[in-house]
Amino acid sequence: EAGVTQFPSHSVIEKGQTVTLRCDPISGHDNLYWYRRVMGKEIKFLLHFVKESKQDESGMPNNRFLAERTGGTYSTLKVQPAELEDSGVYFCASSQDAEGLAFTDTQYFGPGTRLTVL
Amino acid sequence: DQQVKQNSPSLSVQEGRISILNCDYTNSMFDYFLWYKKYPAEGPTFLISISSIKDKNEDGRFTVFLNKSAKHLSLHIVPSQPGDSAVYFCAAADTGTASKLTFGTGTRLQVTL
Repeated sequence: EAGVTQFPSHSVIEKGQTVTLRCDPISGHDNLYWYRRVMGKEIKFLLHFVKESKQDESGMPNNRFLAERTGGTYSTLKVQPAELEDSGVYFCASSQDAEGLAFTDTQYFGPGTRLTVL
Repeated sequence: DQQVKQNSPSLSVQEGRISILNCDYTNSMFDYFLWYKKYPAEGPTFLISISSIKDKNEDGRFTVFLNKSAKHLSLHIVPSQPGDSAVYFCAAADTGTASKLTFGTGTRLQVTL
């Protein structure tokens, strides 16, 4: 079974440009999460989809970040316009939605996209 | 305001010895705790978890201990192996409200020969 995949693995852009990150969760996983790790700090939650709906977007830094999950399959995270402080590694994770046990389902992480904003 | 803290950025242990990684949390609503292991250029990999109704969970060489009154958990690896060298992240969740994970900053474990 394929794991969580993310594309691209690296992205280097200039301040003010737009970047779109993609995440393909494990097939059949209803829950999809985005996290970010900035320069050796903690991994921080950004948002959570259940199928195509945003369940929790309390971690989104500002309105320059837009996440979508059309059709409840893959997800994209767009940063527009990118700022220097957006640099970091963006992780996607997915988990199954076992009835009544969603909160303790194991989250499986992708390899991450390293974003560098110059 | 960091709710999950890993105060040791690094730890070096000899092969065959015990590795003890520590984690403290401040949010008393956290009721589910996890450890993830991360190798360079890879995503975090789930290692072991514990619910707040337990104080110990064991899986092979890995044991997690939870002390709720002290808001402290630890991961014991016995015996340590060179392949255990990685960054270990402690994470917590308040399952009553959300499934998002709150992570610590990680501890880099190096197991030497």
